[in-house]
Amino acid sequence: EPEVTQTPSHQVTQMGQEVILRCVPISNHLYFYWYRQILGQKVEFLVSFYNNEISEKSEIFDDQFSVERPDGSNFTLKIRSTKLEDSAMYFCASSARRQALHFGNGTRLTVT
Amino acid sequence: TQLLEQSPQFLSIQEGENLTVYCNSSSVFSSLQWYRQEPGEGPVLLVTVVTGGEVKKLKRLTFQFGDARKDSSLHITAAQPGDTGLYLCAGDRTGTASKLTFGTGTRLQVTL
Repeated sequence: EPEVTQTPSHQVTQMGQEVILRCVPISNHLYFYWYRQILGQKVEFLVSFYNNEISEKSEIFDDQFSVERPDGSNFTLKIRSTKLEDSAMYFCASSARRQALHFGNGTRLTVT
Repeated sequence: TQLLEQSPQFLSIQEGENLTVYCNSSSVFSSLQWYRQEPGEGPVLLVTVVTGGEVKKLKRLTFQFGDARKDSSLHITAAQPGDTGLYLCAGDRTGTASKLTFGTGTRLQVTL
């Protein structure tokens, strides 16, 4: 069964550094999402993306965050200057039609 | 902030027992989804309920959406060790699932 793949599985970075989290959504999917889950807390919505533009974003998704679909297969989340509180598991998801999200296994970001 | 509170937070039962997990909110949702998440993996969609009062069955799992579309329940009959995991409800207010609000989660452990 096709799946959403995320790389790397674990990223360690120093505070203030830029990170790019990568996702390869399922190939025929049109809707793309990023969510995050801070350890011990609930899954939180960051951003949704359709037709090469952001559909919705949360208050968390400030100017430090950006998303891009640089080619036909990748979907990336960039954090320009990481903060300690950005440490979390970041999940990418995609869907062919709305309401049927497929999540990847996440990238664990640790900011030191 | 739309909160989705799940209860109980933790549940440890023996194989063969029945259980019900609740997902409650003061907000109305267009639809509600249930996911299961295993350690180190992303959430996996189990079901989407859309209509108030709707009941959906997935083998031994029965999902119900409240009449007012503010709450939902998941009932598992004759639980098995393979049902062990974190169960998450997620509500959609946009009608397009472009921004899901996740619940606080119920961690279920089923022992032999």
